[in-house]
Amino acid sequence: GAVVSQHPSRVICKSGTSVKIECRSLDFQATTMFWYRQFPKQSLMLMATSNEGSKATYEQGVEKDKFLINHASLTLSTLTVTSAHPEDSSFYICSAWDRQNSPLHFGNGTRLTVT
Amino acid sequence: AQSVTQPDIHITVSEGASLELRCNYSYGATPYLFWYVQSPGQGLQLLLKYFSGDTLVQGIKGFEAEFKRSQSSFNLRKPSVHWSDAAEYFCAVGGGAGRRALTFGSGTRLQVQP
Repeated sequence: GAVVSQHPSRVICKSGTSVKIECRSLDFQATTMFWYRQFPKQSLMLMATSNEGSKATYEQGVEKDKFLINHASLTLSTLTVTSAHPEDSSFYICSAWDRQNSPLHFGNGTRLTVT
Repeated sequence: AQSVTQPDIHITVSEGASLELRCNYSYGATPYLFWYVQSPGQGLQLLLKYFSGDTLVQGIKGFEAEFKRSQSSFNLRKPSVHWSDAAEYFCAVGGGAGRRALTFGSGTRLQVQP
């Protein structure tokens, strides 16, 4: 069964509004979570690394004020797309590292459409 | 910097035929290598991974991959493809047994002909 739950799976919002995406590890503690972005027919690009209790580390070119990441607990990280624009429309996927079992688990992704 | 190259953007095979998807990586230390499959609009499913040990790795759905350090390759194979295998396949490399983010290849889209 799924060990990383990502919600919502699909969201449509108007330009200028903010959208929050949640990533939960269901049966393990995830001290580290990763957020990726995938444009249509392209690969996954790392946006940021989220560490529980500390600030996220953003990849070059990713606007930290636009993509707010909060990792307030060992089982939850959130990505908030602020003042969304149509060019933010994409597929966002989170992954969480299971320290006990080592592999990275991926959520099922969130399809964001900004109109 | 780490990188992954999947030279084949699109591959078409007949159902029942064998399959090999190529993956070459660049990584400065011991690589942790992964193959994922993604159906349209879906998340990623892990097919198999290589951390250490036997260089021939067995995965789910009848897939296997072989790690060849001398060639910096981690090619994915399946002896007999099923129509349900049609999807996008991503090779990825990472470090720290998963505690670091993965770098993904550009993907190979597999089409299966009846």
